[in-house]
Amino acid sequence: EDKVVQSPLSLVVHEGDTVTLNCSYEVTNFRSLLWYKQEKKAPTFLFMLTSSGIEKKSGRLSSILDKKELSSILNITATQTGDSAIYLCAVLWAGNNRKLIWGLGTSLAVNP
Amino acid sequence: NAGVTQTPKFQVLKTGQSMTLQCAQDMNHEYMSWYRQDPGMGLRLIHYSVGAGITDQGEVPNGYNVSRSTTEDFPLRLLSAAPSQTSVYFCASRDTGGRQPQHFGDGTRLSIL
Repeated sequence: EDKVVQSPLSLVVHEGDTVTLNCSYEVTNFRSLLWYKQEKKAPTFLFMLTSSGIEKKSGRLSSILDKKELSSILNITATQTGDSAIYLCAVLWAGNNRKLIWGLGTSLAVNP
Repeated sequence: NAGVTQTPKFQVLKTGQSMTLQCAQDMNHEYMSWYRQDPGMGLRLIHYSVGAGITDQGEVPNGYNVSRSTTEDFPLRLLSAAPSQTSVYFCASRDTGGRQPQHFGDGTRLSIL
């Protein structure tokens, strides 16, 4: 059965810390991996990764895919209280119905 | 650019009532879907559509109906509301090929008493 597993499930850090969130997958027909941030409302898109070893960066956030290890990490440097959110990982299946397989998310709390 | 628009934002129903959650997108996306999100359960796919006139079931379709008469609209119908359907519902859309990320509506918080 295809699945996506995120770790840790929750994390509490202090402002200024650096965090690494993990996403591993077992998906038979991989097309891409996506990261989303969810605060009070809907998930908002962060990164889409299709190629192994190429880092995507946006400000203090970065992410990289390792297809050999079937995993991805999301790094956040110099965390701020506004980074507090649930971070969701999803894998896009390349089969006919192009389904997205979602992890349960990592809940990040950044304390001042 | 409106993106994905969901209505209503909040709704309280009594057990047995029916209602329709509306979803519209203006990005000409072929693929639309409905999710429910419950604590500890993540996002679970209810129904999806790969184009006008085509719909299919997701992981948790029971108690819900959908239709896709136009590319833009994808309403979700609760046939006879049950307390187990209390949840936050998200509509989403994307291109079928997966070349672009999925966009979400703001969600509907639904309570069934």
